[in-house]
Amino acid sequence: TQLLEQSPQFLSIQEGENLTVYCNSSSVFSSLQWYRQEPGEGPVLLVTVVTGGEVKKLKRLTFQFGDARKDSSLHITAAQPGDTGLYLCAGINSGYALNFGKGTSLLVTP
Amino acid sequence: NAGVTQTPKFQVLKTGQSMTLQCAQDMNHNSMYWYRQDPGMGLRLIYYSASEGTTDKGEVPNGYNVSRLNKREFSLRLESAAPSQTSVYFCASGGTLVYEQYFGPGTRLTVT
Repeated sequence: TQLLEQSPQFLSIQEGENLTVYCNSSSVFSSLQWYRQEPGEGPVLLVTVVTGGEVKKLKRLTFQFGDARKDSSLHITAAQPGDTGLYLCAGINSGYALNFGKGTSLLVTP
Repeated sequence: NAGVTQTPKFQVLKTGQSMTLQCAQDMNHNSMYWYRQDPGMGLRLIYYSASEGTTDKGEVPNGYNVSRLNKREFSLRLESAAPSQTSVYFCASGGTLVYEQYFGPGTRLTVT
């Protein structure tokens, strides 16, 4: 059962463009995490959002947690080729097990 | 500080062969996890260990066994490999905030 749905699945943009990717669920999460995975590597944690409505910024990346704690978004401003990768959202519904979305594959071309 | 290390990085097995994937972390984390990542399926939890001495099944445990050898090490064993187990396997560890997990570089396994 896929608890977290991510969209879009693929995104190809040019350097300098802005983009938003989404992570949606019908379940409430106590927190959501965003990871970035580069080819041939393991996922790397970018941020955790905990409070409904919370907004966190990491340089050009802005993360938002929905008021009802069922969804999250990641906005990238002025994308750069270094932003290329697979963006994964994840959350714990109960216990220790993280549920991952299938990810958004982002390609930023110069 | 190496973080989470995994060996081997690549492996090719024939159907029916067995092997053990090794994972170690040097962050003094209590919890450790094994995931597999397949195209179009995302990351799926195979087994996890909330603390030394305990292990629990995740979403896709069939065909696998695990051992939490000590606080640092968590191994994944395939007793009789099948082509359906061709995948990339990731080990992860989690600290006080168990939902913030740190991943190793992965083992790319092909079963022919």
